[in-house]
Amino acid sequence: QVQLQESGPGLVKPSGTLSLTCAVSGGSISSSNWWSWIRQPPGKGLEWIGEIYHSGSTNYNPSLKSRVTISVDKSKNQFSLKLSSVTAADTAVYYCARTGWTDGGNSVAFDIWGQGTMVTVSS
Amino acid sequence: DIVMTQTPLSLSVTPGQPASISCKSSQSLLHSDGKTYLYWYLQKPGQSPQLLIYEVSSRFSGVPDRFSGSGSGTDFTLKISRVEAEDVGVYYCMQGIHLPQYTFGQGTKLEIK
Repeated sequence: QVQLQESGPGLVKPSGTLSLTCAVSGGSISSSNWWSWIRQPPGKGLEWIGEIYHSGSTNYNPSLKSRVTISVDKSKNQFSLKLSSVTAADTAVYYCARTGWTDGGNSVAFDIWGQGTMVTVSS
Repeated sequence: DIVMTQTPLSLSVTPGQPASISCKSSQSLLHSDGKTYLYWYLQKPGQSPQLLIYEVSSRFSGVPDRFSGSGSGTDFTLKISRVEAEDVGVYYCMQGIHLPQYTFGQGTKLEIK
């Protein structure tokens, strides 16, 4: 079945750019799914960052839109997140997740998640 | 922005007893297609969240039938008929209609007495 695996630097300097990749295995990123990034600051709740379709269409959380870029690399079956001008408030576990489909044809948000990767913003 | 409010924020339940979590949205989650896009997730300790319920009351594949969802419009409830030790964790509701911004509730922490 489809599995997701996040990767990227665990430490980013303030004002720098956070860059993460989510590798998709067991399925194609070009399937009829949207692919999302979600984050969770330590001890806090979940915040949706944005999503991408294999065509390159994207949707972003308005609160982060000015700093976020999500892209897709179909040749590598992966998608990526870039978050610019980071501060300590961007310290979080970052998850990638899929919006999939049930057998009955219902769209279900975030039916598959990666295990998450911790990113700390610190000098 | 739509706000999702969960109550209680924590609850302690004896195994075998029921549990209930409320989720209220600041706007209706009823879509023009007739569906209501309200989801429930469980994040077990040290794990990624996992989908439990979609469209208010549909259990996702593999989810035990002791979990049930109900509600409409802006008021929703997740019920566990008989809590088991493996149900501990943080439960989140989420709206999926007012895009492009999925919004989660604050989370409800369930612990076992």
